[in-house]
Amino acid sequence: IQLTQSPSSLSASVGDRVTITCRASQGINGHLTWYQQKPGKAPKLLIYEASTLQSGVPSRFSGSGSGTDFTLTITSLQPEDFATYYCQHLNGFPFTFGPGTTVDIK
Amino acid sequence: EVQLMESGGGLVQPGGSLRLSCAASGFTFSDHFMDWVRQAPGKGLEWVARIRNKASRYSIEYAASVKGRFTISRDDSKKSLDLQMNSLKTEDTAVYYCVRDSRDYAFDIWGQGTVVTVSS
Repeated sequence: IQLTQSPSSLSASVGDRVTITCRASQGINGHLTWYQQKPGKAPKLLIYEASTLQSGVPSRFSGSGSGTDFTLTITSLQPEDFATYYCQHLNGFPFTFGPGTTVDIK
Repeated sequence: EVQLMESGGGLVQPGGSLRLSCAASGFTFSDHFMDWVRQAPGKGLEWVARIRNKASRYSIEYAASVKGRFTISRDDSKKSLDLQMNSLKTEDTAVYYCVRDSRDYAFDIWGQGTVVTVSS
């Protein structure tokens, strides 16, 4: 199963609403996760099972989607949200990650 | 505190071997499936291997890129996870992360990573 993400990068301002899309090459039964990674750090789990917010993650992050199309939305972007975001499927092996979307400061 | 800490990375020549270890603390290690994920310099994330728990007979899965060269293992009594890497190639150069599966289709705990460099 291949995952594509769009856009590959975006520039945004603090307070903006940001939407990142992840598309799977076939249905993945909603087993889609989102991670945030900052330079030199390990990834951090944000969303699992397409729309469930991980404990401790701010509510400005949300996930949606089903079938093959999924979305990560950040409402009111904060300075600490500038990072790279990856989607991942866990619907059978091999698990694969999307290529990432880098969110930087406009 | 729930924590994973990798060790064993370093510089190795092509064709060589290296063994990575991961020490777990702060949770019931034996309950969880465990994975290795790697990230080549400047690149994205790549899942490497999984080992399930005792209830799932410690069954194992590998990425095609490492199958036959890497071996994942665990010792629940020591709360440790290992990755034996043989016949290393330059393309195995990466940061290797030890990762906990949450049991809800997600990788919820990540180690800080250990750097493996394969170069002559």
